[in-house]
Amino acid sequence: NAGVTQTPKFQVLKTGQSMTLQCAQDMNHEYMSWYRQDPGMGLRLIHYSVGAGITDQGEVPNGYNVSRSTTEDFPLRLLSAAPSQTSVYFCASTEGVQSYGYTFGSGTRLTVV
Amino acid sequence: GENVGLHLPTLSVQEGDNSIINCAYSNSASDYFIWYKQESGKGPQFIIDIRSNMDKRQGQRVTVLLNKTVKHLSLQIAATQPGDSAVYFCAENRASGAGSYQLTFGKGTKLSVIP
Repeated sequence: NAGVTQTPKFQVLKTGQSMTLQCAQDMNHEYMSWYRQDPGMGLRLIHYSVGAGITDQGEVPNGYNVSRSTTEDFPLRLLSAAPSQTSVYFCASTEGVQSYGYTFGSGTRLTVV
Repeated sequence: GENVGLHLPTLSVQEGDNSIINCAYSNSASDYFIWYKQESGKGPQFIIDIRSNMDKRQGQRVTVLLNKTVKHLSLQIAATQPGDSAVYFCAENRASGAGSYQLTFGKGTKLSVIP
């Protein structure tokens, strides 16, 4: 049981490049979400999914796309990276959004130059 | 606007003393609250949670108190140890419409334990 696995751990992009941050969980959790964390700030919700085939926007969705084709995977896509997207990204999942704590991955540190 | 915030950004505690970390929230519709611990370079780690129909919940060395009247949440750590040094976040779970919920985090409190 690996929990929530994020890849890559580190990434440097040039402005305008695109990339996909991977997130996979092996706990059969229906709910998955992506957060970004900037220095001195809490985590802000980017996108979330309540199950395969269902996604919705969080607090800061602009510049990011997501899809949920399987229960296990929830990739986050940056279509055209900008320096403002330099951040640490965390993926999380939970069995039940109203009753259970969320399990977080170890994060992806992204730098856009 | 609605937010989850913390009264103190940093807290220094002597090893062995008790720590109290505070959190204010403003959304009275929130019904579930979670405390997370984040160590440097790692993702947030679940510590303890509490539902809005409770005012206190205890775990191992940790207690969460919820005061719905003043919309205040606190985390108490007993006999603080060096391994407790981390940033602590409170988070509230609130409905975002159509049966969905979103977890909103406060900015965090950095706890430093003095040996």
